[in-house]
Amino acid sequence: AQKVTQAQTEISVVEKEDVTLDCVYETRDTTYYLFWYKQPPSGELVFLIRRNSFDEQNEISGRYSWNFQKSTSSFNFTITASQVVDSAVYFCALYAGSNYKLTFGKGTLLTVNP
Amino acid sequence: GAVVSQHPSRVICKSGTSVKIECRSLDFQATTMFWYRQFPKQSLMLMATSNEGSKATYEQGVEKDKFLINHASLTLSTLTVASAHPEDSSFYICSADRGPNTEAFFGQGTRLTVV
Repeated sequence: AQKVTQAQTEISVVEKEDVTLDCVYETRDTTYYLFWYKQPPSGELVFLIRRNSFDEQNEISGRYSWNFQKSTSSFNFTITASQVVDSAVYFCALYAGSNYKLTFGKGTLLTVNP
Repeated sequence: GAVVSQHPSRVICKSGTSVKIECRSLDFQATTMFWYRQFPKQSLMLMATSNEGSKATYEQGVEKDKFLINHASLTLSTLTVASAHPEDSSFYICSADRGPNTEAFFGQGTRLTVV
């Protein structure tokens, strides 16, 4: 069975602070994919990143960076110099198994205050 | 721009009526689409997998007679909430991908309110 744990339910920071959102996953599959999605108040899910299990390189995209560590089954997401527009719910998701369904974590509500 | 379009974005209906939600992939063909339900401040729960040309696969606990899914073409899947009741009020969201192991694109979601 697949499982994604986002232990942080809510995080509140002040603009320009750095913030890290944690994600821990569980799967018995050796091939799997990890995702992060952003859900702003409008409701639509916005794709941020996809990472396969064979690629442990960290990735940076502007103010966003991701740290994938198979040894700890974690795929953490860091926003540098946060902005008010970053306020949203962020979901970590796992794609694995023979039917390749997405399993979502419970999400982390990030509030960036001015 | 959006590659998956969902319509309507918001609907209010009377208890006992049926509501149809459409999900379209705009620039690719999707043999499989997914329907999720999201309660306030909660995660997305997969309801069913919509398969083009065949019956949908429902997750455990999802009533297939209440949540009717039709995937008539490679670009369109519909979810019909039959005889809706207030407890069916929720945010419904669909997704499609270009193939296995690729990222899923989500529709804008539909906020259903049954009064």
